[in-house]
Amino acid sequence: LAKTTQPISMDSYEGQEVNITCSHNNIATNDYITWYQQFPSQGPRFIIQGYKTKVTNEVASLFIPADRKSSTLSLPRVSLSDTAVYYCLVEDSGNTPLVFGKGTRLSVIA
Amino acid sequence: NAGVMQNPRHLVRRRGQEARLRCSPMKGHSHVYWYRQLPEEGLKFMVYLQKENIIDESGMPKERFSAEFPKEGPSILRIQQVVRGDSAAYFCASSPRTGVDNTEAFFGQGTRLTVV
Repeated sequence: LAKTTQPISMDSYEGQEVNITCSHNNIATNDYITWYQQFPSQGPRFIIQGYKTKVTNEVASLFIPADRKSSTLSLPRVSLSDTAVYYCLVEDSGNTPLVFGKGTRLSVIA
Repeated sequence: NAGVMQNPRHLVRRRGQEARLRCSPMKGHSHVYWYRQLPEEGLKFMVYLQKENIIDESGMPKERFSAEFPKEGPSILRIQQVVRGDSAAYFCASSPRTGVDNTEAFFGQGTRLTVV
């Protein structure tokens, strides 16, 4: 089961771009990288998923280098409502459940 | 299509009582996962179920805890003889399947259990 390492916390001002990097040195060939967002008192919410290179959706971008040993979640122009905990997960192939670490607590300041 | 529904949202139990937490997955989802979260910590996996089967219960305490996902009705997480240490937020997630396409999991709002 691959493990992930990400910063415990980050601060940012409104309007800035935020990049959260996650290390997953033991990622396997069939593993995907997935990011979830969790607001206080709510369940986690899927943000984005990728396998390699770059993935972009209406919420974020995910950059994955060729060796796939790390990934970077990029949030453009954050607002106060982006204050949340962001989890980086590596999903094993097969019927295994998601394994969450402690995540990165992002605080957006006005 | 309603999301994952958990009830109750808040549950208060005295030590020694039983707690029953319910989870109705999204329509068409046959995979259910239960997680526990303590304040300021990440989610800890407890159990993974498919209809009528427990697939992985490696994260569930051996005593007092049980889970089921019957053919009809919601998935139930049952905690017998609750203790103060059981106080936490319990989240349920569902997905249509896992593995092949790495389908995302959808989480409910959670049940906050307080043992007094």
